[in-house]
Amino acid sequence: EPEVTQTPSHQVTQMGQEVILRCVPISNHLYFYWYRQILGQKVEFLVSFYNNEISEKSEIFDDQFSVERPDGSNFTLKIRSTKLEDSAMYFCASSDTTRAGSYEQYFGPGTRLTVT
Amino acid sequence: QQQVKQSPQSLIVQKGGISIINCAYENTAFDYFPWYQQFPGKGPALLIAIRPDVSEKKEGRFTISFNKSAKQFSLHIMDSQPGDSATYFCAAIPSNTGNQFYFGTGTSLTVIP
Repeated sequence: EPEVTQTPSHQVTQMGQEVILRCVPISNHLYFYWYRQILGQKVEFLVSFYNNEISEKSEIFDDQFSVERPDGSNFTLKIRSTKLEDSAMYFCASSDTTRAGSYEQYFGPGTRLTVT
Repeated sequence: QQQVKQSPQSLIVQKGGISIINCAYENTAFDYFPWYQQFPGKGPALLIAIRPDVSEKKEGRFTISFNKSAKQFSLHIMDSQPGDSATYFCAAIPSNTGNQFYFGTGTSLTVIP
């Protein structure tokens, strides 16, 4: 069964450093998403991406964050100048349809980011 | 107004019992309500979903009950099994924005053998 994969599973970084979280969405999917989950809290939407551009972003997704699809398979989230409060589990998701379809988003296993 | 409130935070049920998790929302523009199941170390996986034009949807042992007037929906797990032990999230997506899911805070379910 196709699945979304994410690397690394755990990333430790020092405050102020830049990190890149990587995702490989399901191959025929066209819509990509990043969510985050701070420990013990709910899953929060960060950004959605379609046709090589951001289609929607939340208030959390400020200038510190950026997304990119550098090739035909990877989807990345870059966090510049990380802060302690960026420590969270980051989930990538993908879907093959959107409002006109089933809305189903398939989630990856997540990358746990720890900022020290 | 975009909040989805979920309860209880944790739930312990005996094997064979019924697990019930509740969610409530304010935004009447929400038009799709999925439930996600998450096992430790895994991402959330879609379990079952409902649209507001029906009051109930059943898939195997899992049932969503939807009360549009009360703006509430719930997940019922019949004949709960130890393998159902996981965290469950309700979510909602509004018709007037893009594809952003608004998640509840999650319920940790433990089914005791």
